[in-house]
Amino acid sequence: DTAVSQTPKYLVTQMGNDKSIKCEQNLGHDTMYWYKQDSKKFLKIMFSYNNKELIINETVPNRFSPKSPDKAHLNLHINSLELGDSAVYFCASSPAGHNEQFFGPGTRLTVL
Amino acid sequence: AQTVTQSQPEMSVQEAETVTLSCTYDTSESNYYLFWYKQPPSRQMILVIRQEAYKQQNATENRFSVNFQKAAKSFSLKISDSQLGDTAMYFCARSRGATNKLIFGTGTLLAVQP
Repeated sequence: DTAVSQTPKYLVTQMGNDKSIKCEQNLGHDTMYWYKQDSKKFLKIMFSYNNKELIINETVPNRFSPKSPDKAHLNLHINSLELGDSAVYFCASSPAGHNEQFFGPGTRLTVL
Repeated sequence: AQTVTQSQPEMSVQEAETVTLSCTYDTSESNYYLFWYKQPPSRQMILVIRQEAYKQQNATENRFSVNFQKAAKSFSLKISDSQLGDTAMYFCARSRGATNKLIFGTGTLLAVQP
């Protein structure tokens, strides 16, 4: 009965590769988010979708492309991976009219 | 800049004692929400407590309580009867705008000593 799940939990890849991280929530929430946590533990919003519509798109390189096939899923695709993309990526969701966000377990991405 | 500041990078407390983590923020909005999240070594982000800015009463969740000073834009977290399981990184966060994105502080690493 996992609330917000992410796959994979760990991802190790070479520079230049393309990879995807998947997120699913079974809470019935309308809004989903991607956050990036860097090596200094700083968390920053990247994207947000509300009912499959993009509502937040922070200053993120074009190599990052979110996709929401339905309101329970929000995937993150990264092209041409760079060393600086190494981080923990968190998916989160929140219900309509609420500000509380529920986080997934995170995906640790390591680019070699 | 609309920032959240945690001035204590690290703190230590003895088991069963009380500790207070500081947080200040900057905002031009009149209505917003404030949160404390806990991140243990497992890296899971766990919501500890939430405060609605329009409510004057300080939020409380069991051993966790906040001191919310809206005029001073201060939102500190008090942990009473500290337990070893409280050892974690604690993040203060503020929601922003209609999109509800969270602006996080840089975190305070709390170590509870036996």
